[in-house]
Amino acid sequence: GQQVMQIPQYQHVQEGEDFTTYCNSSTTLSNIQWYKQRPGGHPVFLIQLVKSGEVKKQKRLTFQFGEAKKNSSLHITATQTTDVGTYFCAGPRLSFGAGTTVTVRA
Amino acid sequence: EAGVVQSPRYKIIEKKQPVAFWCNPISGHNTLYWYRQNLGQGPELLIRYENEEAVDDSQLPKDRFSAERLKGVDSTLKIQPAELGDSAVYLCASSRGGTGMNTEAFFGQGTRLTVV
Repeated sequence: GQQVMQIPQYQHVQEGEDFTTYCNSSTTLSNIQWYKQRPGGHPVFLIQLVKSGEVKKQKRLTFQFGEAKKNSSLHITATQTTDVGTYFCAGPRLSFGAGTTVTVRA
Repeated sequence: EAGVVQSPRYKIIEKKQPVAFWCNPISGHNTLYWYRQNLGQGPELLIRYENEEAVDDSQLPKDRFSAERLKGVDSTLKIQPAELGDSAVYLCASSRGGTGMNTEAFFGQGTRLTVV
């Protein structure tokens, strides 16, 4: 399947700060999905991006699909302890990246 | 609406023994996925079904793994014989499906397999 690479692998964030995680592909993606997996839980769907340059917001989360549809980003503002978990992107056919694991310092 | 149901939740077996996992997807979902997730890694797709047809099984280790979805509803994933390296969480997911575009996938709680 199409490979998606995520960076960074780990993100340690001070509560209240912002951070961004990235998802990159060597090939053009028809769409990309983002999921969140809490510790001990299963992946939960967050969003799907389809259009070139698309930006979608969910409260403090902003998702962006690159103009060339080869990369995507997730930006979280004012990080809270509830944001702890691993964020995955998934390309078509639901092939997952390795994820960015987020921990929050209170 | 009931979610994706998997059983068992936990399984401990000795190496070389067989093991089977069961998944019941959300009603009406045509696409069913089986994943393996090792600790600290992303889910690795093993097989994807569109109704009863396996349309992507390129990552399924076919020497020991098999799967079926005979009536296009629930599915079983089997390992025979199990090896120590098969210890992982096996996740099942379903979506409304169709070819081409993905739709939102719903995951089950997973089966945690420990091979000793």
